[in-house]
Amino acid sequence: AQSVTQLDSHVSVSEGTPVLLRCNYSSSYSPSLFWYVQHPNKGLQLLLKYTSAATLVKGINGFEAEFKKSETSFHLTKPSAHMSDAAEYFCVVSDPNFNKFYFGSGTKLNVKP
Amino acid sequence: EAQVTQNPRYLITVTGKKLTVTCSQNMNHEYMSWYRQDPGLGLRQIYYSMNVEVTDKGDVPEGYKVSRKEKRNFPLILESPSPNQTSLYFCASSLSAVSNQPQHFGDGTRLSIL
Repeated sequence: AQSVTQLDSHVSVSEGTPVLLRCNYSSSYSPSLFWYVQHPNKGLQLLLKYTSAATLVKGINGFEAEFKKSETSFHLTKPSAHMSDAAEYFCVVSDPNFNKFYFGSGTKLNVKP
Repeated sequence: EAQVTQNPRYLITVTGKKLTVTCSQNMNHEYMSWYRQDPGLGLRQIYYSMNVEVTDKGDVPEGYKVSRKEKRNFPLILESPSPNQTSLYFCASSLSAVSNQPQHFGDGTRLSIL
């Protein structure tokens, strides 16, 4: 069975400092993993996805994530936070057939001026 | 513009009164899915559809129905809504399930069942 745990429900950083959003997964198979972002009153937008190619995945808006099989982690990072990064972020794992998707409970990122 | 459109965006209704939330995509996507979002739980998948006339249950299908008669439309039906179905609902689509394409999400429908 697949599942995702996002280790922090809220993260607060100052503008210009690094961002780290943590995600651990559980999967019976080689997983496909995604990070999505949700801005207030909006749908979700894909940031990046891992599909068993390079373990370091680069996404949009300067975000990247590293797949670590030994740690079953897929943490999202950004070197320098911007005010526009304030949003909720979801880590997602899919089943092997890519039919069903399992979302983490979300991490709300607050960026202070 | 490529988009997933949900209607209505907001609805307040009463227990037992049948309702339908429509979802339409203009990208010729094969795969479509419905999710509900509840605080602290993230998104949970209700139903999905691999293609026209092919639907299957997600993790929380109880109390919901779907149909996929046309490729672009994937309505969510609540035959007899109850207060525990008060939630924020999202429709999503992707090019093809087998190719692991990213999902495109609508802007959501907030349902309140009194």
